[in-house]
Amino acid sequence: KAGVTQTPRYLIKTRGQQVTLSCSPISGHRSVSWYQQTPGQGLQFLFEYFSETQRNKGNFPGRFSGRQFSNSRSEMNVSTLELGDSALYLCASSLEGDNYGYTFGSGTRLTVV
Amino acid sequence: AQSVSQHNHHVILSEAASLELGCNYSYGGTVNLFWYVQYPGQHLQLLLKYFSGDPLVKGIKGFEAEFIKSKFSFNLRKPSVQWSDTAEYFCAVSETGANNLFFGTGTRLTVIP
Repeated sequence: KAGVTQTPRYLIKTRGQQVTLSCSPISGHRSVSWYQQTPGQGLQFLFEYFSETQRNKGNFPGRFSGRQFSNSRSEMNVSTLELGDSALYLCASSLEGDNYGYTFGSGTRLTVV
Repeated sequence: AQSVSQHNHHVILSEAASLELGCNYSYGGTVNLFWYVQYPGQHLQLLLKYFSGDPLVKGIKGFEAEFIKSKFSFNLRKPSVQWSDTAEYFCAVSETGANNLFFGTGTRLTVIP
């Protein structure tokens, strides 16, 4: 079966711009989580959506937002980009949540210049 | 807030050597525990997980981990490593019922043929 698909794979944006990343979970998975991975901070939880509702949110500024659609696909948006937002953004999907373990996508590499 | 510590940042072993990677977490409640692996150029993959029951859990590719509640530890082991085990290994914890993972900073394993 198809895995977690993230698009685009690579992005280069300028400071101050905004960006939208997309994640298509495994078919049947209703929980989608987003993580930011950087060399300095490692993997940090951004937020988790289940049935179009945000259930949990990490400690990130309000510039980071997300949403989930009725088909479980999810998008995350970062507004007013800063250099420090350069990172690998990972999406993970699960049937219900952590009890089943998460399957991760390959990520979107965002570079802010 | 929870935290996860992986004390070994980089481990170098020869093939057939035994492996043990340390993972400690700080949280007093009930937790779910995970080990993920990231092979070069690939996405995070679940190696094994612990939710409850037998504290010794077996995962894929001959890996196992032991949950020691009194030590807040979940160390990963493999009796004989192979060159193909070269990867980065991440320990992760979530509170039972929560839907977000707290990751350690990762341990890079290099296996020399």
